[in-house]
Amino acid sequence: DTGVSQNPRHKITKRGQNVTFRCDPISEHNRLYWYRQTLGQGPEFLTYFQNEAQLEKSRLLSDRFSAERPKGSFSTLEIQRTEQGDSAMYLCASSLEAWAYEQYFGPGTRLTVT
Amino acid sequence: RKEVEQDPGPFNVPEGATVAFNCTYSNSASQSFFWYRQDCRKEPKLLMSVYSSGNEDGRFTAQLNRASQYISLLIRDSKLSDSATYLCVVNMRLGSSNTGKLIFGQGTTLQVKP
Repeated sequence: DTGVSQNPRHKITKRGQNVTFRCDPISEHNRLYWYRQTLGQGPEFLTYFQNEAQLEKSRLLSDRFSAERPKGSFSTLEIQRTEQGDSAMYLCASSLEAWAYEQYFGPGTRLTVT
Repeated sequence: RKEVEQDPGPFNVPEGATVAFNCTYSNSASQSFFWYRQDCRKEPKLLMSVYSSGNEDGRFTAQLNRASQYISLLIRDSKLSDSATYLCVVNMRLGSSNTGKLIFGQGTTLQVKP
């Protein structure tokens, strides 16, 4: 399977715990994006990388959130001190720089904070 | 005010019907426009781009009106398999660069009945 993969697919955690999600993009894609989607809403942009450089972060990304893409390949999204409001589907997408609007999404990681 | 607004529906139509979805965007600096499709509990996938001149892909026709900041999607001869959520999407440019930051509407749900 050469699509975007995300792990884990589901995560249940208690409020206050830290969680980390991983995204493996399509191998030749140099851009990687993180979005968050809640029920009944469209995905909301969180941040994106071009290779290993984080080029933009949304105001939604509070200081409890951090994302990395250390070698320009896979990326991790960490949420510290989780809150119930963090419960959502976290989607990762990748694209070529030249075709940045054609983003290929992974299946997402569904986070439930209890 | 949301940057991209859509009627969430649901639109319930019989097979064979023609259905139209509309979307408005607030930022006149928006550069590129798309429709993505999202099936229940699946990731979004690019359906088609939207050009000022209008474009057609089989049973699907997309139209952009920059003056009114309005985007539409027309589906002719609806099939059961068209049942999904249709997301209106806008992409910003930053200088000469395509940022890749996609702004999604809430989505419009279509249910095609036999």
